Amino acid sequence: GQNIDQPTEMTATEGAIVQINCTYQTSGFNGLFWYQQHAGEAPTFLSYNVLDGLEEKGRFSSFLSRSKGYSYLLLKELQMKDSASYLCAVRDSNYQLIWGAGTKLIIKP
Amino acid sequence: GAVVSQHPSWVICKSGTSVKIECRSLDFQATTMFWYRQFPKQSLMLMATSNEGSKATYEQGVEKDKFLINHASLTLSTLTVTSAHPEDSSFYICSARDPEGDAGKQYFGPGTRLTVT
Repeated sequence: GQNIDQPTEMTATEGAIVQINCTYQTSGFNGLFWYQQHAGEAPTFLSYNVLDGLEEKGRFSSFLSRSKGYSYLLLKELQMKDSASYLCAVRDSNYQLIWGAGTKLIIKP
Repeated sequence: GAVVSQHPSWVICKSGTSVKIECRSLDFQATTMFWYRQFPKQSLMLMATSNEGSKATYEQGVEKDKFLINHASLTLSTLTVTSAHPEDSSFYICSARDPEGDAGKQYFGPGTRLTVT
């Protein structure tokens, strides 16, 4: 079957760095997405990886290794507003999105 | 974990026709479901919030007469795109909130790819 695994919850300190991992097993691969979702709000797009390597966008970076079925989202210089859920999703060969359950990130002062 | 399904996964229709997309929560009862549209730049736009047994709440700019939403049961919400036009071609994603899970936690469906010719 198809599945996406990511940790349920992580805790980090303000100003620090945190890495949220995502592993996937899907029927084909047409890209991997990371979204941020604050409680009660719609998800906001963070990144899209379709080729191996690191995509950097400000404080956020996303890495992909297709051979390993693995991605991570790296958040630097953490701020309290980064407390949210982070969703990993993979688009399979049928253009369907396979969603992870999300990682709840808690930032402590 | 909680599973949300959508049907169909993809559909092609002619301009002027209507298309119905179903969203089901398979192993939990969802009092609230959400409908999103994914744009080519990958962003998700919330179209409407659907509450079981009541009228949907539409986001600003979304035509309620064009995008009909029905949430007749705790496990099913439907989105009907009426009089579809090519500009309605997009990827439509639903999500469902599990009231017994973490507050605000949503589970997303796999999406429906609509192409209007």
